[in-house]
Amino acid sequence: DTGVSQDPRHKITKRGQNVTFRCDPISEHNRLYWYRQTLGQGPEFLTYFQNEAQLEKSRLLSDRFSAERPKGSFSTLEIQRTEQGDSAMYLCASSLVSPALNEQFFGPGTRLTVL
Amino acid sequence: AQSVTQPDIHITVSEGASLELRCNYSYGATPYLFWYVQSPGQGLQLLLKYFSGDTLVQGIKGFEAEFKRSQSSFNLRKPSVHWSDAAEYFCAVGGDFGNEKLTFGTGTRLTIIP
Repeated sequence: DTGVSQDPRHKITKRGQNVTFRCDPISEHNRLYWYRQTLGQGPEFLTYFQNEAQLEKSRLLSDRFSAERPKGSFSTLEIQRTEQGDSAMYLCASSLVSPALNEQFFGPGTRLTVL
Repeated sequence: AQSVTQPDIHITVSEGASLELRCNYSYGATPYLFWYVQSPGQGLQLLLKYFSGDTLVQGIKGFEAEFKRSQSSFNLRKPSVHWSDAAEYFCAVGGDFGNEKLTFGTGTRLTIIP
């Protein structure tokens, strides 16, 4: 049973560089979510997809952030022109939509450090 | 707007003692409520979830939570903690059977002393 995987687990970059993270959800899950967690805080919602469609984006998500899920399977989150304030743990989660109470399964996260 | 408040940033309990972590929520419709646990270097793991029915919900690892609509609370309890329970605990609220965005509290860090 494969859970949600994220790659890379750690990323160190210099301010102004672009970074891209990948998330592979549980295979039959049709919803995929991105959250961001900073030190001492709970995860904050960024965006989510149902299949290929991006259904909601948080106002936290500036124009430098873009997410895709081109074939309704894996997703990528790109941050352009990184800033030190982007340093955080980026969490991906997936769920299977059904008329019952569903769980979002979380991956281990990608820790981004912007120098 | 939905929100979650976890009033206790850090709690220390002795191994074998009972535990209660507080959670208050604000949500316009019927809330879907969750408790997650996060250990250092680990992802978030679901402990339990609530939508309707019995207001006392049983979860994994011996945890339970009680939903009190009149108090907008969903407190997490465990009768006897183990050293392995030391972790960060997050309460979350969401909609659409848990398939919409989750709003998390700021978390409660639990320390266990021998």
